[in-house]
Amino acid sequence: EPEVTQTPSHQVTQMGQEVILRCVPISNHLYFYWYRQILGQKVEFLVSFYNNEISEKSEIFDDQFSVERPDGSNFTLKIRSTKLEDSAMYFCASSDIGSGKNIQYFGAGTRLSVL
Amino acid sequence: QQQVKQSPQSLIVQKGGISIINCAYENTAFDYFPWYQQFPGKGPALLIAIRPDVSEKKEGRFTISFNKSAKQFSLHIMDSQPGDSATYFCAARGLGRQLTFGSGTQLTVLP
Repeated sequence: EPEVTQTPSHQVTQMGQEVILRCVPISNHLYFYWYRQILGQKVEFLVSFYNNEISEKSEIFDDQFSVERPDGSNFTLKIRSTKLEDSAMYFCASSDIGSGKNIQYFGAGTRLSVL
Repeated sequence: QQQVKQSPQSLIVQKGGISIINCAYENTAFDYFPWYQQFPGKGPALLIAIRPDVSEKKEGRFTISFNKSAKQFSLHIMDSQPGDSATYFCAARGLGRQLTFGSGTQLTVLP
């Protein structure tokens, strides 16, 4: 079964450093998303991406965040200058455009620890 | 307006029992209501979903009941099994396709 792949599984960084979280969505999907989950809390939407541009973003997704699809397979989330409160599990998801079901498939996540 | 409220926070059920998790929403623009199951260390996985023009959907032991007028929906797990022990999230899809998640319910099914 096709799956969303995220790397690394765990990223440790110092406060103020830049991090890039990587995702390989399911190959025929056209919508891509990033969500985050602070430990013990609910999953929160960050941003959606379609046709090489951001289609929606939440208030969490401020100027410190950016997304990119650098090639035909990868989808990345960059945090420019990490803060302690950025520590969370970051999930990438993708969905297709057909069938109308918009099932979002999630990757296993990247645990970001900011020290 | 964008919130999805989920209860209970945790639930303990005996094997073979019925697990019921409830969610409520306010935004009438939500048009799709999935339930996700999450095991420790894994991403959320779609379990079952419903559209607001349907009052009930059943897939195996899992049933969603949807009350559009009350803006509430619930997940029923029949014949609960220890393997069902996980965190369950309800969600609602907005116009932009993003999902708004509930706060999650940690289900424990005792053997």
